[in-house]
Amino acid sequence: AQSVSQHNHHVILSEAASLELGCNYSYGGTVNLFWYVQYPGQHLQLLLKYFSGDPLVKGIKGFEAEFIKSKFSFNLRKPSVQWSDTAEYFCAVTLSGYSTLTFGKGTMLLVSP
Amino acid sequence: KAGVTQTPRYLIKTRGQQVTLSCSPISGHRSVSWYQQTPGQGLQFLFEYFSETQRNKGNFPGRFSGRQFSNSRSEMNVSTLELGDSALYLCASRPLKENTEAFFGQGTRLTVV
Repeated sequence: AQSVSQHNHHVILSEAASLELGCNYSYGGTVNLFWYVQYPGQHLQLLLKYFSGDPLVKGIKGFEAEFIKSKFSFNLRKPSVQWSDTAEYFCAVTLSGYSTLTFGKGTMLLVSP
Repeated sequence: KAGVTQTPRYLIKTRGQQVTLSCSPISGHRSVSWYQQTPGQGLQFLFEYFSETQRNKGNFPGRFSGRQFSNSRSEMNVSTLELGDSALYLCASRPLKENTEAFFGQGTRLTVV
């Protein structure tokens, strides 16, 4: 069965620091990749997605992610975080042609002002 | 366009009871999936419906069931509730096209006492 690993459960950063959240998946076939964010008290929202094409994907709010197929990774980055980025971040994978999402356990990001 | 709507937002039930949760997808979205979110297990797939048929099912006991109506609205039912069923239940909808993401509702917070 496929699985998704997120390297850090909790990350604490100061405003303006750079962010990189790791995500690795275990499946050798063609996958679709997603990062979702859950702000306190809000629903899961899509940050960015990768289906095919350019492996460097840009999302909302200045986030980007790079798909490295050889490393089975899809790490999330942001050059300068803001206090409003405090949230839980989930990496998720589907097999190409399927819609069932397999999620990582999530990373709780706390940005201190 | 209205988002995914889940009702009720909060529920408290007693062990042994049953519960029904409701989900109205985004207009035009015909696929509805359900996920269970707990602190220990994270987000786990329950089932997916489209065209009123269950298309995929996660690894949950038969006490968890669902259905979809002709207007794409979906319900999930949990019978003989156990304390461990306490969780946030999330519904997601998406259109029936390739390379589309899932849109999530705010969830129903179920507490079993």
